[in-house]
Amino acid sequence: SQQGEEDPQALSIQEGENATMNCSYKTSINNLQWYRQNSGRGLVHLILIRSNEREKHSGRLRVTLDTSKKSSSLLITASRAADTASYFCATVSQGGSEKLVFGKGTKLTVNP
Amino acid sequence: GAGVSQSPSNKVTEKGKDVELRCDPISGHTALYWYRQSLGQGLEFLIYFQGNSAPDKSGLPSDRFSAERTGGSVSTLTIQRTQQEDSAVYLCASSLDSPGIGHTIYFGEGSWLTVV
Repeated sequence: SQQGEEDPQALSIQEGENATMNCSYKTSINNLQWYRQNSGRGLVHLILIRSNEREKHSGRLRVTLDTSKKSSSLLITASRAADTASYFCATVSQGGSEKLVFGKGTKLTVNP
Repeated sequence: GAGVSQSPSNKVTEKGKDVELRCDPISGHTALYWYRQSLGQGLEFLIYFQGNSAPDKSGLPSDRFSAERTGGSVSTLTIQRTQQEDSAVYLCASSLDSPGIGHTIYFGEGSWLTVV
């Protein structure tokens, strides 16, 4: 079963706008990771945030984590057409298997 | 190469045939994962290897699916008596160690399986 659930399922914005994607999960986690997928092939790791961190930045990416609400958000600032992709959150549950469980993803379209 | 390598990249097979999908992880990576992704869907976990052992194979959908890893390196996912619902992209990934302690995983480009 899916651990993370992204919201929205699809998002369409204009170039230059910010894009915000949310992820909710069910169990206590060690860390949460965000990945990007182009054209239904391999995923690329974007950023990892540990359970004791609240916010992390990497370039135009900003990730927040609220463990009390079991949720995370990914913000892409000043979006570009090249940011068009599907974005997935993934978690590893505390005390369980070391498998990384992915949500269903948010499909982002950035229109030029 | 430096990345995770999967073969074949595309496979069309007839219903009822067996298929083998191969994954070459990044050298030195102890953890290896198989996922399945149907068109427009999220990633479905299949199996996780640490070294040659599989501590979690809970995602294998039926006994037609099996996977092995030898020498702590190459892994093969075998699907016996393929069905049309097996059509999907099969993604392999590896990491230096457990993602639970903060290691990220690196994906191959996937093997697209079509069962006709």
